[in-house]
Amino acid sequence: GNSVTQMEGPVTLSEEAFLTINCTYTATGYPSLFWYVQYPGEGLQLLLKATKADDKGSNKGFEATYRKETTSFHLEKGSVQVSDSAVYFCALSSNNDMRFGAGTRLTVKP
Amino acid sequence: SQTIHQWPATLVQPVGSPLSLECTVEGTSNPNLYWYRQAAGRGLQLLFYSVGIGQISSEVPQNLSASRPQDRQFILSSKKLLLSDSGFYLCAWSVGRSLGQNNSPLHFGNGTRLTVT
Repeated sequence: GNSVTQMEGPVTLSEEAFLTINCTYTATGYPSLFWYVQYPGEGLQLLLKATKADDKGSNKGFEATYRKETTSFHLEKGSVQVSDSAVYFCALSSNNDMRFGAGTRLTVKP
Repeated sequence: SQTIHQWPATLVQPVGSPLSLECTVEGTSNPNLYWYRQAAGRGLQLLFYSVGIGQISSEVPQNLSASRPQDRQFILSSKKLLLSDSGFYLCAWSVGRSLGQNNSPLHFGNGTRLTVT
C-alpha cells in the first residue's frame, strides 16, 4: 500500500540555520508528492508540490525535489525564520489515495 | 477563487451529547470532500471522504457519521459523543476526478477543536 515516512521531531533551530526534513514514500503507480504546513491553531496549507520524477517544488524559500530513485521528497530551506515555526507534513497522492506522514514540528529560535 | 468554510472553530460538549460540524466549499463544483481528525501531537487520520452527493466512504469504524446533502456541503455528526472523540477536526476538498484531475492537492479548512468533557 501507499505510505509516507518523515523524520520525527521536534526539530529546533536557530534563526538563519539550514533546514532539512526528510521524507520517504512507498507507492504504487506514479504518485504526486506534497508538503503541507500547519501553523498553531490552523488547518493545513499546501506549501509545495511535485507531480513527476525530478520535479522541484518551491515556495517561500522552501524546496523539495521528487527523487524516484531514492523514493524521497526531502524539504529544505537555506535560512529559516522564526515565522517558519510550524508543523510540516509530507504527503503523497496515488490514484487519488492521499496519505500523510506523521508531521514534524519545527521551532525556530531568535 | 475557491474557499472552504468550517464551523464552529471551537466546541466544548459533554459526554453523550450530539455533534454536528459543518463544512462548505465555494467556487468549485463536484469537489471531493474529506473529514480528518488530528489528535493532540499526532498526525492526520482520515475519517470520511465523499466523491458526490450522498456518496460517503468511511475509513475507520467509529462513533461518527458523515453526510453530504448538497454538492458543496459536508457534515460530520455523532448521536452521542465519547471522551475519545476529542480532537481537532479538519474538513478538506480537492478537485473531483470527474474533472479529469488526478492526484490534486487537498485544501483544508481552519479546523474545529472539539473538547468532550
